[in-house]
Amino acid sequence: EVQLVESGGGLVQPGGSLRLSCTASEFTVSNNYMSWVRQAPGKGLEWVSLIYSGGATFYADSVKDRFTISRDSSKNTLYLQMNTLRPEDTAVYYCARVVWSDYYFDYWGQGTLVTVSS
Amino acid sequence: DIEMTQSPSSLSASVGARVSITCRASQTIYTSLNWYQQTPGKAPKLLIYAASILQSGVPSRFSGSGSGTDFTLTISSLQPEDFATYYCQQSYSLPLTFGQGTRLEIK
Repeated sequence: EVQLVESGGGLVQPGGSLRLSCTASEFTVSNNYMSWVRQAPGKGLEWVSLIYSGGATFYADSVKDRFTISRDSSKNTLYLQMNTLRPEDTAVYYCARVVWSDYYFDYWGQGTLVTVSS
Repeated sequence: DIEMTQSPSSLSASVGARVSITCRASQTIYTSLNWYQQTPGKAPKLLIYAASILQSGVPSRFSGSGSGTDFTLTISSLQPEDFATYYCQQSYSLPLTFGQGTRLEIK
């Protein structure tokens, strides 16, 4: 069964950094398009970042130059390095597999909560 | 960026009722439109992709239609487990964008 498990969330002060991980089962992360999507408390869904199987990366304007998406093939894991965090980055962060032909999300992780507060 | 607008923002209906949720894109997206269901505390679940194709395992009471800028998600006969929040998402261009969500509540 395809599974995505996120980890790494927590409480961080404004200006701080955090790295989220997403480990996949039953498929190969590096052979797929993968994304991060976030949801602020009580709010809707916001796409954050995308990585192609070929390695190209894309970001929402709200996180560009602060967040970096990457992957480790040996660990079958997707990452999101988040720097210079702001209170408005507080959200549940989901990793999701992206169907490459149509850019929709067919499998999601359970999410990990990031809280940016002093 | 392509803006996605859902209506209504919330909806009350009874078990067995037929309901429709509308999603409008700020520019044409052809059939690059997907629908998700989210229950409290859970990750979103894909229901429909490419405007009208039912994801494997999703009950046939769910259907999608539309093209261009106007799309509809219809649930033909509401079941208790269908009370949730529904989101549309355009996959025509980056950045990928979602509608604000439609909360479906029990009447």
